[in-house]
Amino acid sequence: NAGVTQTPKFRVLKTGQSMTLLCAQDMNHEYMYWYRQDPGMGLRLIHYSVGEGTTAKGEVPDGYNVSRLKKQNFLLGLESAAPSQTSVYFCASSFSGTFFNEQFFGPGTRLTVL
Amino acid sequence: AQSVAQPEDQVNVAEGNPLTVKCTYSVSGNPYLFWYVQYPNRGLQFLLKYITGDNLVKGSYGFEAEFNKSQTSFHLKKPSALVSDSALYFCAVIHASGGSYIPTFGRGTSLIVHP
Repeated sequence: NAGVTQTPKFRVLKTGQSMTLLCAQDMNHEYMYWYRQDPGMGLRLIHYSVGEGTTAKGEVPDGYNVSRLKKQNFLLGLESAAPSQTSVYFCASSFSGTFFNEQFFGPGTRLTVL
Repeated sequence: AQSVAQPEDQVNVAEGNPLTVKCTYSVSGNPYLFWYVQYPNRGLQFLLKYITGDNLVKGSYGFEAEFNKSQTSFHLKKPSALVSDSALYFCAVIHASGGSYIPTFGRGTSLIVHP
């Protein structure tokens, strides 16, 4: 049982390049989330998904797109990377959106945009 | 709008002393409150939660938190701190939005336990 895994762990991009971050969970969780963590800002929700085939915007969605084609995977895409997107990205999942949904987090992806 | 405030960026405590990490919230309706811990270069780990019932909630690693509705607070506590408790602590509140439940996190408090 691997929990929540993220690929890659580190990445350096040049401004304007694109990339996709992959999140996978093996706990059969319905809800999945993408956050970014910046110093002094805590975690901010980018996008989330309440089930396969559904996605919704979070607090800071601009510049990002997501897809949830399979229940176990949640992809985060950057179409044209900007230096402001330099951050640590965390994926999380939870069993459902009701009261017992503590989240399980992946180890993070450290992204640097030059 | 829902919000969570952690008024202290850093808390320093000596090993063996009690510790408190503060959290206040603002949410319409009943709050669902959580504490998470993050060790360096790791993802967040769940510590405890308040959903309903007893205002004192016990969690992992000897931590507990007290829900105070009148003060809209959910402070994290531990009777005797360990050096290994040094980490970043996040308070979070879950709120309902169009049938979904969206988490909002505080900015985090760095706990430093001195030997």
